[in-house]
Amino acid sequence: NAGVTQTPKFRVLKTGQSMTLLCAQDMNHEYMYWYRQDPGMGLRLIHYSVGEGTTAKGEVPDGYNVSRLKKQNFLLGLESAAPSQTSVYFCASSYRMSTGLAGETSLAKNIQYFGAGTRLSVL
Amino acid sequence: GIQVEQSPPDLILQEGANSTLRCNFSDSVNNLQWFHQNPWGQLINLFYIPSGTKQNGRLSATTVATERYSLLYISSSQTTDSGVYFCAVRRNHGETSGSRLTFGEGTQLTVNP
Repeated sequence: NAGVTQTPKFRVLKTGQSMTLLCAQDMNHEYMYWYRQDPGMGLRLIHYSVGEGTTAKGEVPDGYNVSRLKKQNFLLGLESAAPSQTSVYFCASSYRMSTGLAGETSLAKNIQYFGAGTRLSVL
Repeated sequence: GIQVEQSPPDLILQEGANSTLRCNFSDSVNNLQWFHQNPWGQLINLFYIPSGTKQNGRLSATTVATERYSLLYISSSQTTDSGVYFCAVRRNHGETSGSRLTFGEGTQLTVNP
């Protein structure tokens, strides 16, 4: 299993250009997430998806769009890149959490697995 | 939303020393993960520990959910332990919000030879 794979690993854009970041997971996870990490800070959630065909806003969604047309893929789009979007972007995935079930095995499905990140610079 | 505070923000150690990193959170959680981000930016899962104690080699973690904190212990530190350690939590509010994590700002650890 490759786990969570992000492409590309690096990208430089000019202000106003558009691009799409791809996240692919081969673990049959229901949930997928896009985070951004700025210098000296923890990760902040941009958008997430609880299943194929569904997406929802996270903490910092402005300027981004997402799509989850296939269960294994979660795309993050920048329609008109801005310098403030210079950041490192991480994708993650997890199983659908099963509430109400006892035992460590069910709870362990809560774990998020991360990709290697995409370093984006907007000039 | 839930607040996550990590301390100390920076820590410098000599190789072989022990350390304790702390994570405080402001609400009940059903997911708490510790991550190590290495100098190449890669995020590595260390522990999934919403409660209790776990050990993995020189690392161990304890979460006291009722008191809303978690501790990460690093013993006999090595230079390869350098990097940023993040604590991330999920509020205990059911599935509607997904399993999204809220991250602390991290502890920057430097281990000198």
